[in-house]
Order: sequence, then C-alpha cells, then structure tokens
Amino acid sequence: DTGVSQDPRHKITKRGQNVTFRCDPISEHNRLYWYRQTLGQGPEFLTYFQNEAQLEKSRLLSDRFSAERPKGSFSTLEIQRTEQGDSAMYLCASSLVDRDFYEQYFGPGTRLTVT
Amino acid sequence: AQTVTQSQPEMSVQEAETVTLSCTYDTSESDYYLFWYKQPPSRQMILVIRQEAYKQQNATENRFSVNFQKAAKSFSLKISDSQLGDAAMYFCAINSGYALNFGKGTSLLVTP
Repeated sequence: DTGVSQDPRHKITKRGQNVTFRCDPISEHNRLYWYRQTLGQGPEFLTYFQNEAQLEKSRLLSDRFSAERPKGSFSTLEIQRTEQGDSAMYLCASSLVDRDFYEQYFGPGTRLTVT
Repeated sequence: AQTVTQSQPEMSVQEAETVTLSCTYDTSESDYYLFWYKQPPSRQMILVIRQEAYKQQNATENRFSVNFQKAAKSFSLKISDSQLGDAAMYFCAINSGYALNFGKGTSLLVTP
C-alpha cells in the first residue's frame, strides 16, 4: 500500500492557461474523490468517481473544470482558462466501497497558484 | 445539507497535558459517520479517529478519544498526553454517502 499520490505537488500558472493534475489512488480502491481547499478553510467536495464512472459533481465544479478516470485507476483534473480564484490546494482521496465505506484516504495535494 | 462547525480557530496545549477540540454538526440523515482528520503543516491529511452514528460507545484510538453526543449533535476530540507532533490543523468531518463535509478546522499549538 503506497498511499494516494498526486502530481505535481506545486503548479504556478498564468491566468488564462490550462492546467492538469493527476491522482493515483490506493491500488485496490474503487472510489476516487477530488476536493479543493483554500487558505483557512476545510476541504470542499468537487467530484467523485466509482471505478470509471463520474457519479457526482458539486456546483463548485464550473464548466471550466473537467475530471476523468478513464480506466478506473488514476484520475486527472483539468482546469481550463484558469482564474486567480482557482488558486487553492487540490486534494485527491480514495476509498474502497464495501469496506471502510465512508473512510477516505488523502493524497498530499497539488497546490495551484494562478498569477 | 450537512454542516460542520468548529468554533475554536486556535487552541494551545502544553506538552503532556490534555486538550479538547469542539465540533458540532447538523444533518437530516439517520446513518452517518463522523471523523477527525489531522493536517500537519505542508503534509497530507490523515485520519485520526472515526465514529459511527449508530454506535453509542465513544471511539478511542490510543491517546485520542471522542465524546459523541448524538442528541446534541456534538462530536469533540480529546487528546491526552499531548506531544509536539500533535501540532497541526484538526478538521471535523461528516459523511453519510460519498462526500466528506468538513469544518473550518482548529489549529492546535503544542508548547514544550
């Protein structure tokens, strides 16, 4: 069990550019979640997948955001035409349905800075 | 909708002493789980302890224990024999389906 990994750990981009983040969940976990955390706040749910199906999206996930989990393993989160308000820590988590159903394991996060 | 309130933005405790972090929540669900997560500076969030709402017995994990008051919708975390490594942000969270709903966190400072 190598834990949840995320890449890159830090990303600085200019406003208007597109960025893509990757998350590799714990290998046997079938659920994968994305959260966003801004300074001084707790994480906020963005979206989640069960296997390759995206089952829920928060209203926080504007149409500039898209997430995929093509083979039910790793996931990518893309932000198009970044805005300064997108600056945040993007956290990925995973869990295994049928065991630890509600328990999610977090990765180290990708810190995005939009200049 | 589920909400979590952590009314203590910052707390301080001396090494070896005991500290209690407060959390209240609101939910219309009857089946849910409550969690305390720890987020050290620049490090990833890790689970400290969890409580199933249907269990009356308070959860305990080594030096960490909770006081779960279901009727009052209260879920406080007690840290006994505090250690310097306990310094971190602590988040209370609730989950009844898929998304974790977090509070704003409490920053715990541990002084020697």
